[in-house]
Parts: sequence; C-alpha cells; structure tokens
Amino acid sequence: AQTVTQSQPEMSVQEAETVTLSCTYDTSESNYYLFWYKQPPSRQMILVIRQEAYKQQNATENRFSVNFQKAAKSFSLKISDSQLGDTAMYFCALDGGGADGLTFGKGTHLIIQP
Amino acid sequence: DADVTQTPRNRITKTGKRIMLECSQTKGHDRMYWYRQDPGLGLRLIYYSFDVKDINKGEISDGYSVSRQAQAKFSLSLESAIPNQTALYFCATSAPPGGSGANVLTFGAGSRLTVL
Repeated sequence: AQTVTQSQPEMSVQEAETVTLSCTYDTSESNYYLFWYKQPPSRQMILVIRQEAYKQQNATENRFSVNFQKAAKSFSLKISDSQLGDTAMYFCALDGGGADGLTFGKGTHLIIQP
Repeated sequence: DADVTQTPRNRITKTGKRIMLECSQTKGHDRMYWYRQDPGLGLRLIYYSFDVKDINKGEISDGYSVSRQAQAKFSLSLESAIPNQTALYFCATSAPPGGSGANVLTFGAGSRLTVL
C-alpha cells in the first residue's frame, strides 16, 4: 500500500517570505507521479505542481517549486514571495501507477499573514 | 461551464434518508472518482470507474453506492444516510496514463453534505 505523510498540520508566515511544506511518501513502484494541490477557502481543489518520478529535474511553476528527493522519498513544496492569496490547505498526493487514483496526505493549513 | 460539475453544492438531510450526489464532466475522460474529505484526514477514495461497465470500490466504500450512467456521468448514493457521513464530497476525472495530462485529477467544486 502507498502512503503519504504531511507532518505539519498548520504553518504561518509573513507575506513575502519563503515557506516550505514537507511531504514524505512510500511506494513500491519505480515509476510514479507526485502532486501538490491547493484548496483555498472556496474549497476548490487546484493543481499546483506535478512531478514525474523518473525526471530528476525538480518541477517549478512560477513562485512554486519542489525539492524531490527520490531516495529519501521526500517531496517538499517551496513557495517564494508568499502572497495573501496563498492562504489555503495544501495536499501532497501520490499516484503509484495503480488503478485507483491518488493517495492524499492529511494536508497542511498554510496561513499568510499581512 | 466547469469541466466537472457537481450537484448539489450543499445539502442538509436527516438520518435514514437516501441521498444522491451527481457529477458530470465535459473533459471526455473515461476515469472518474468519488472522494470524501474530512477535517484532518485529507481526501479518501470512495469509488472509482474506468468506463461505464467498470466500477471499483475504494478505501471507504461501505455505506455508499455508485452508478456510471454514461461516460460523462457518475453519481454517488447514500442509501440510508448517517451522521458520520457528514463530509465534503468531491468528484474528479483524469486522463489515462501516457499523455501530457496523465494522472492529473480535475475536481468538481465539491458537495457539502450534512446529516442530522
């Protein structure tokens, strides 16, 4: 069975700071996909970033980047120049290539303070 | 229009009532999913379907049933709702493996269900 662990239930930083959200995972698959999803107060689930395990280069999307450490099974999300609109729940998720979609972590509630 | 549409957005019901949550998608994807979100627990898979004739149980299927009426429609039913089924329910769809958007879930806006 695959698992995803987010060890930070809540984080709070000042606007414009850089923040890193942690995620570790476990899977027996060699090829898999990792994701970060954002859920703002509107409750919509929004894809932030996607990483394919066989690609060594860390994915980036504007102010969002990941630190993918395959051997350590770690997949952290870095948000640079944080903005008030980044306030949301952030979920790390794993697709281990099985037939049953994504496995999600329990989430990190990120609060950006003005 | 949204790629994935869920109805109703919010529903309050009583214990023992039958409830259906509906989902339709315009992405043309075969794969559809129902997830449940509870505070502190993340999202957990209830059921998933890879085509009209393919229905599979997820991690927490007890107390739920589904129907895949067409490629674009996937409904979730609670035959006799109970209070611990109070949660936020998400429908999602994904492209098959191999393409550029492979494995990416596109979610509906969620259906908030409260069982009294």
